[in-house]
Amino acid sequence: NAGVTQTPKFRVLKTGQSMTLLCAQDMNHEYMYWYRQDPGMGLRLIHYSVGEGTTAKGEVPDGYNVSRLKKQNFLLGLESAAPSQTSVYFCASTRTWGTEAFFGQGTRLTVV
Amino acid sequence: AQSVSQHNHHVILSEAASLELGCNYSYGGTVNLFWYVQYPGQHLQLLLKYFSGDPLVKGIKGFEAEFIKSKFSFNLRKPSVQWSDTAEYFCAVNARETGNQFYFGTGTSLTVIP
Repeated sequence: NAGVTQTPKFRVLKTGQSMTLLCAQDMNHEYMYWYRQDPGMGLRLIHYSVGEGTTAKGEVPDGYNVSRLKKQNFLLGLESAAPSQTSVYFCASTRTWGTEAFFGQGTRLTVV
Repeated sequence: AQSVSQHNHHVILSEAASLELGCNYSYGGTVNLFWYVQYPGQHLQLLLKYFSGDPLVKGIKGFEAEFIKSKFSFNLRKPSVQWSDTAEYFCAVNARETGNQFYFGTGTSLTVIP
């Protein structure tokens, strides 16, 4: 039982490049979330999804896009990376509202 | 404004000392409350959670937390910390009034000195 898997684990991008982070969960969870973690700022919600085909903005959505075409996958896209997007990105999923969140191992992204 | 506040940013304790980490939130109505721990280089793991019922909840590794509705608080405690408790601790809130969003505090870094 893999839980929540994030791909890739590390990535270095040049300013202006694009990339997609993949989050996959095998627990049949309805809700999925993307967070970024920065020193002294905790985890901030970027986007989330309450079910297949749905997405919604979180606290810091600018510069990111997401898609949830399949229930088990939640993709986070950066269309034109900026140094301010250097961060550790975590994906999480929950069975439904208010239940425990399960986290992936994180993706460390550096934009130079 | 920050909706989940953790007042202690960095705590240093000696082994066997008692621990209390503060967490306050600003939502009314129904809330679900969580404490997560992040060991160095790892992802977040659930320590304990409160949904309803007894306001004193017990979690893994001897941690407990008390929900005080009138104070909008959910403080984490442990009577005697160990070196292996060195980690970052996050309080999280899921509130009906915020829809489906899961908000985290800024975290408290705990260092336990052997």
